[in-house]
Amino acid sequence: EADIYQTPRYLVIGTGKKITLECSQTMGHDKMYWYQQDPGMELHLIHYSYGVNSTEKGDLSSESTVSRIRTEHFPLTLESARPSHTSQYLCASSEFTPTGRGNYGYTFGSGTRLTVV
Amino acid sequence: AQKVTQAQTEISVVEKEDVTLDCVYETRDTTYYLFWYKQPPSGELVFLIRRNSFDEQNEISGRYSWNFQKSTSSFNFTITASQVVDSAVYFCALSGNNAGNMLTFGGGTRLMVKP
Repeated sequence: EADIYQTPRYLVIGTGKKITLECSQTMGHDKMYWYQQDPGMELHLIHYSYGVNSTEKGDLSSESTVSRIRTEHFPLTLESARPSHTSQYLCASSEFTPTGRGNYGYTFGSGTRLTVV
Repeated sequence: AQKVTQAQTEISVVEKEDVTLDCVYETRDTTYYLFWYKQPPSGELVFLIRRNSFDEQNEISGRYSWNFQKSTSSFNFTITASQVVDSAVYFCALSGNNAGNMLTFGGGTRLMVKP
């Protein structure tokens, strides 16, 4: 049972359209992240949030924007989609504990595979 | 700045062979956390293990084992008696002791296990 949900799972959209990728988590985690991944390639952090009303840009420059109005919700928006935006987008949340060996840390969503034609 | 390097971009083995996936990391943090994830073709990331920098014990879980060597900044992953279902892309990742706890990923190693 997933604790972090991403919708849609797949999206094919035309150039110039505005899209919002949804990410919601039910764990009450303060920290949330968006990673972009080209097929079979490295994951790059594009946005993160420490909590409500906090958003920061990640290591990889992205034309997308994010918002964090509620703890559980961290949507990503592309105002005008382009073919170069074609990628997989993975959302994650974390509640880090310094000790322990479990996945006390990151929970990833199933991802959204975006294709812009 | 932190960095994770997975030098092997692709490995192909025959079923039942043992295989080791290499991971070398760089960080200035004295406390940090290392992870391995599996990404099957469906695309989701499956957590395999987390290791804290202050815990250098190696770990075995079934056919999986991990060798953490702080002296060489390596965190290698071995699959014993590989199976076709092990075919996937495997990512090593690092989180430093920073406020955001962001994960830095290596480039991934694609493992193909042939019957």
